[in-house]
Amino acid sequence: DQQVKQNSPSLSVQEGRISILNCDYTNSMFDYFLWYKKYPAEGPTFLISISSIKDKNEDGRFTVFLNKSAKHLSLHIVPSQPGDSAVYFCAAPFPFSNDYKLSFGAGTTVTVRA
Amino acid sequence: EAGVVQSPRYKIIEKKQPVAFWCNPISGHNTLYWYLQNLGQGPELLIRYENEEAVDDSQLPKDRFSAERLKGVDSTLKIQPAELGDSAVYLCASSLGLAGDENEQFFGPGTRLTVL
Repeated sequence: DQQVKQNSPSLSVQEGRISILNCDYTNSMFDYFLWYKKYPAEGPTFLISISSIKDKNEDGRFTVFLNKSAKHLSLHIVPSQPGDSAVYFCAAPFPFSNDYKLSFGAGTTVTVRA
Repeated sequence: EAGVVQSPRYKIIEKKQPVAFWCNPISGHNTLYWYLQNLGQGPELLIRYENEEAVDDSQLPKDRFSAERLKGVDSTLKIQPAELGDSAVYLCASSLGLAGDENEQFFGPGTRLTVL
């Protein structure tokens, strides 16, 4: 049962433009969300997170927006750079678990065109 | 500081053969995770260790998969016998084991397994 969903498998964007990655979740008890970035032949690395008490978290060129009523979050990358070309995973830990078990989306492959 | 180390990086075997993957977590990280990532999908947790104790192995196919973390540091994941459907990337991750949102997981590069 996929509780975190990324319905867009790929995204192509011009360098300098905005990249918007979307993520939906089904478990209304999720209260913390993470975005991971993965280059080929490397493991995922943590990018940015957001707690459910916020609706926005910004870190440099990366901003994550959370819409709890819609069970939707998005990652904005502005401006997009060629080095941003990677697979981005949305993830959420199962609530009420001390084991921090993460549920991942299927990922979105971002390609930034020069 | 070295990150999570995994070996081998790539493994090609024939079906029904055994295979083992090794993981060395970040020094001081008490919690170790093994994930399975199929092509086009996100990582899925197979097993989680708190020190040497497996505290969540509900997703581990126990008929052919086994794991151990002797002495609470390095870990091995074994498949015996391997099946065609086991072809995937096997990721190891570690974390400090802190409670709540500060328990960031750091991932290794993964082992790409191909079963022929």
